[in-house]
Amino acid sequence: AQTVTQSQPEMSVQEAETVTLSCTYDTSESDYYLFWYKQPPSRQMILVIRQEAYKQQNATENRFSVNFQKAAKSFSLKISDSQLGDAAMYFCATANFGNEKLTFGTGTRLTIIP
Amino acid sequence: DAGVIQSPRHEVTEMGQEVTLRCKPISGHDYLFWYRQTMMRGLELLIYFNNNVPIDDSGMPEDRFSAKMPNASFSTLKIQPSEPRDSAVYFCASSSNRRVSLVNEQFFGPGTRLTVL
Repeated sequence: AQTVTQSQPEMSVQEAETVTLSCTYDTSESDYYLFWYKQPPSRQMILVIRQEAYKQQNATENRFSVNFQKAAKSFSLKISDSQLGDAAMYFCATANFGNEKLTFGTGTRLTIIP
Repeated sequence: DAGVIQSPRHEVTEMGQEVTLRCKPISGHDYLFWYRQTMMRGLELLIYFNNNVPIDDSGMPEDRFSAKMPNASFSTLKIQPSEPRDSAVYFCASSSNRRVSLVNEQFFGPGTRLTVL
C-alpha cells in the first residue's frame, strides 16, 4: 500500500517570499505519479502541479516547482513570490501507473503574511 | 465546461435518516471518484467507477454506504441510515482516460458538507 506523509501541518510565509512544503511517500511501484493539490477556503480541490516518476526533470508551473528526489522518495513543492491567493491547504498525492487511485497526505495549511 | 457538479452543497439531517448525495461528472470523462474528507482521517477515497462500473469500493466504510452510477452523467452516494460520525465533506471527482500524457488529472467538485445530528 502507498503512504504519503506531510510532516508540516502548518506553514507561513511573508508575501513575495519563497516557501517549500515537504512531502515524502512510500511505494513499491517503479512507475507512479505525484501530485500537489491546493484546497483554498472555498473547498475546491485544484491541481497545482504533477510529476511522472520516470522523468528526472523537475516539473514547473509558473511560480510553482517541485524538487523530486526519487531515491529518497521525496516530493517537495516550492512556491516562489508567494501571493495572498496562495493561502490554502496543500495536499501531496500519489498514484500508481495504470491505477487511478490517488493516495493523499494529511495536508499542510499555508498562511501568507501580508 | 461547468466542471464537476455536486448537490446539495450542504445537508443537515438527523441520525437514522437516509441521505443521498449527487454528482454530475465532466462530460466525456470515464472515471468518477467519491471521496470523504474529515479532520481526523483526511481525504479518503470511498469508491471509483470506470465507464459506470464500480472498480474499487474498498474504501466504503460499511454497508450503510452505497454508490451507483446509472449512466455516464450521474452518480449517487447514499447513506442509510446516517450516523453522526458520517459528518464530513464528500467530494466527487472525475477524470478522462483519453490521455494526452500518461497522467490523468482528477477534477473535483465543490463538495457536499454533510452534518448528521
